[in-house]
Amino acid sequence: QVQLVESGGGVVQPGRSLRLSCVASGFSFSSYGMHWVRQAPGKGLEWVALISYDEIDKYYAASVKGRFTISRDNSKNTLYLQMNSLRLEDTAVYYCGDLGGYYGAWGRGARVTVSS
Amino acid sequence: NFMLTQPHSVSESPGKTVTISCTGSSGSIASNYVQWYQQRPGSAPITVIYQDNQRPSGVPDRFSGSINSSSNSASLSISGLKTEDEADYYCQSYDTNTRGVFGGGTKLTVL
Repeated sequence: QVQLVESGGGVVQPGRSLRLSCVASGFSFSSYGMHWVRQAPGKGLEWVALISYDEIDKYYAASVKGRFTISRDNSKNTLYLQMNSLRLEDTAVYYCGDLGGYYGAWGRGARVTVSS
Repeated sequence: NFMLTQPHSVSESPGKTVTISCTGSSGSIASNYVQWYQQRPGSAPITVIYQDNQRPSGVPDRFSGSINSSSNSASLSISGLKTEDEADYYCQSYDTNTRGVFGGGTKLTVL
């Protein structure tokens, strides 16, 4: 079955970096654009970034542009989010997903806490 | 900036039909596909509608999506309401720069 599994979350100090991974299985990962979405505690969903199936096109929310980098390795069926210069307001659960695609798959999320 | 506006909450009785709206702030909502997601407390979201009106495999046909260009809005309808449908629902689309945009979410209470 279609599955997305995030990893790499944790507690980090402001200004530090963290890299999230999302491993896909059960579908043709290399054919789909993929997204990162986050949800701060008690808040709604916030779109973070999108990467095209071939990694040529990348788009970012204004709140993370210049600090976060989305990438993928289709040979490993893996999506990444490199997060630099983390801020307190980046604290959230981060989900990877195939938004708008045939499967509409979401992972279970990776919790990132930015705290001094 | 392009925004999607949803009602904060709706409520309806079991067995009835409820419709949740999602209104675009500018431009034409029909210019980009709209998706709908269900999120129960403590769980990850799941997709109930993609590309305006398509249901992923496993989503019951009680869920349907539509676009109304005259009101620049999208709608999610759930018929034959069940208590298990109680959740937060989010619409999602894109702005003119291909950045994703979510609505603020609607809390559905089935009472």
